[in-house]
Amino acid sequence: DAGVIQSPRHEVTEMGQEVTLRCKPISGHDYLFWYRQTMMRGLELLIYFNNNVPIDDSGMPEDRFSAKMPNASFSTLKIQPSEPRDSAVYFCASSPFWGNRGGGDTQYFGPGTRLTVL
Amino acid sequence: AQSVSQHNHHVILSEAASLELGCNYSYGGTVNLFWYVQYPGQHLQLLLKYFSGDPLVKGIKGFEAEFIKSKFSFNLRKPSVQWSDTAEYFCAVTSTSGTYKYIFGTGTRLKVLA
Repeated sequence: DAGVIQSPRHEVTEMGQEVTLRCKPISGHDYLFWYRQTMMRGLELLIYFNNNVPIDDSGMPEDRFSAKMPNASFSTLKIQPSEPRDSAVYFCASSPFWGNRGGGDTQYFGPGTRLTVL
Repeated sequence: AQSVSQHNHHVILSEAASLELGCNYSYGGTVNLFWYVQYPGQHLQLLLKYFSGDPLVKGIKGFEAEFIKSKFSFNLRKPSVQWSDTAEYFCAVTSTSGTYKYIFGTGTRLKVLA
């Protein structure tokens, strides 16, 4: 398996531009997560999906951020308009359904997208 | 509310020294516990996990962790660190009931001096 795939790996844009980050989860995983990592705030969960349905978006910082998962193999995180404070590494992760055991299972992280907003 | 505390934010050790990183969680129910590692410039990857059974869990690269339920702790240990263990280490917790919630600690940055 190729693991979680993210694109682009690096993105440099100017303030006010729209940014779209893409993620392909591991096939068969029921959960998909978007995280943001910065030096100041550490690793923050932005939103997660279960079977393509957004379950918890309480971590999305503001209305400029939106995420979609149109099918089981693709998700996007969009920032419009982007601001310099959005500069961070954005990780996508996927996780299998845990079945009868309960609780979450291992999350498999993608390589991340390093976003720089000038 | 659930929370995860990692007390040591930065740790510096010499090679061959022993390592113990603290992790405490706040949650009254049954939990699953994880340690992840992030090497410089890379993504997080699983070191080890605990779901049930033997509270002493062994992971990759010689790491182990002990679940002490009475102390709500899941500390990570390694008897002898190597320069290649330089990384950031994250503890994470999920509950086994209710809403799926995956909570990461703030991380501990380990630097091993050669």
